Amino acid sequence: GAVVSQHPSRVICKSGTSVKIECRSLDFQATTMFWYRQFPKKSLMLMATSNEGSKATYEQGVEKDKFLINHASLTLSTLTVTSAHPEDSSFYICSARDLRRYEQYFGPGTRLTVT
Amino acid sequence: QKEVEQNSGPLSVPEGAIASLNCTYSDRGSQSFFWYRQYSGKSPELIMSIYSNGDKEDGRFTAQLNKASQYVSLLIRDSQPSDSATYLCAVNPYNFNKFYFGSGTKLNVKP
Repeated sequence: GAVVSQHPSRVICKSGTSVKIECRSLDFQATTMFWYRQFPKKSLMLMATSNEGSKATYEQGVEKDKFLINHASLTLSTLTVTSAHPEDSSFYICSARDLRRYEQYFGPGTRLTVT
Repeated sequence: QKEVEQNSGPLSVPEGAIASLNCTYSDRGSQSFFWYRQYSGKSPELIMSIYSNGDKEDGRFTAQLNKASQYVSLLIRDSQPSDSATYLCAVNPYNFNKFYFGSGTKLNVKP
């Protein structure tokens, strides 16, 4: 149980384009999903927390207009990187929290490369 | 002061030894504590959760919590080379939807 999928696992896009990343909880309902980014050999950086049916809460320094988050259902959240630039290249990881439990479970991550 | 502190390591132990990973946290009201393992290039994987003082064992892993000292640890018995990874400590304070992660301790288990 507690499986979280993420799609795509890897994406290469050109500068100026937008990229959408999907995060799904496959066998549980997640009222809350989290989006992180991680640079090589660095720790996780929380970008935003999303609750189903409401606006995401962004961490300080994260541009909400650039990183659009939608949590439309109890099993799906999406992150759209708009007008991507090379500095947005990173490993993006989502996680989901089972509404009945305290733990959060991570998706496998999406490696974004912007050329 | 960071909310969660971990020694970055690397911690090197020989195969078969006990690896001891430590974590301290600053919010005395914290309720839930987690250990995640992250292999290089992969996402974190939950290996232990602990909520009350004392020890919690799961296979070769034992989590230890001491709320008075604001300290949580993870012991890995009979360490294997496959245990080589970065171990992240996470703390959930009174805010149900807030998690604080440490920067992780890199563990190397040498054959």
